[in-house]
Amino acid sequence: NAGVTQTPKFRVLKTGQSMTLLCAQDMNHEYMYWYRQDPGMGLRLIHYSVGEGTTAKGEVPDGYNVSRLKKQNFLLGLESAAPSQTSVYFCASSYPAIREQYFGPGTRLTVT
Amino acid sequence: EDQVTQSPEALRLQEGESSSLNCSYTVSGLRGLFWYRQDPGKGPEFLFTLYSAGEEKEKERLKATLTKKESFLHITAPKPEDSATYLCAVLNSGGSNYKLTFGKGTLLTVNP
Repeated sequence: NAGVTQTPKFRVLKTGQSMTLLCAQDMNHEYMYWYRQDPGMGLRLIHYSVGEGTTAKGEVPDGYNVSRLKKQNFLLGLESAAPSQTSVYFCASSYPAIREQYFGPGTRLTVT
Repeated sequence: EDQVTQSPEALRLQEGESSSLNCSYTVSGLRGLFWYRQDPGKGPEFLFTLYSAGEEKEKERLKATLTKKESFLHITAPKPEDSATYLCAVLNSGGSNYKLTFGKGTLLTVNP
């Protein structure tokens, strides 16, 4: 099993450009999440999904959109990138109920 | 609002020198406390889940304990490969099964 994978691993964008980050999991998890990790801030939840076709806002959703068209995939979109979105983005997945989340390797995004 | 405070921010040990990391939390009803390990440039790796005060879990040189206000991650006779950032996260009883609140982590360095 590959677990949770993320594409791409690195990306540099100019202000105003758009991009999509792809997350895939092969553990048949219902729940999927997108986090950002910034120095001194800890991990913060951007958006999450509790099942195929559903999405919801997390702690810091502004400037991001998500889609969950298939159970195994969760996409994070930036429509108009800003320097404040420079960060490391992690995808995670889990079973329902009070269960641990499994994280992907991360995408390092720089917006200039 | 849930709060998680980890201390110390950084800890440097000699190989074989046992110590503990602290995770203090304030939540409106704890449903679960999670410990993760994060290596540089990688995603968090799940270690333990603790659900109630008095619970303990062990894995190799690591032992996690939980009280009503804090959790400790005890490291016995650490080795250089235990060097990593250790993250603590809590899940409250506010109705969701997925909104983890993370601490900022403790950076552990074990010198040979």
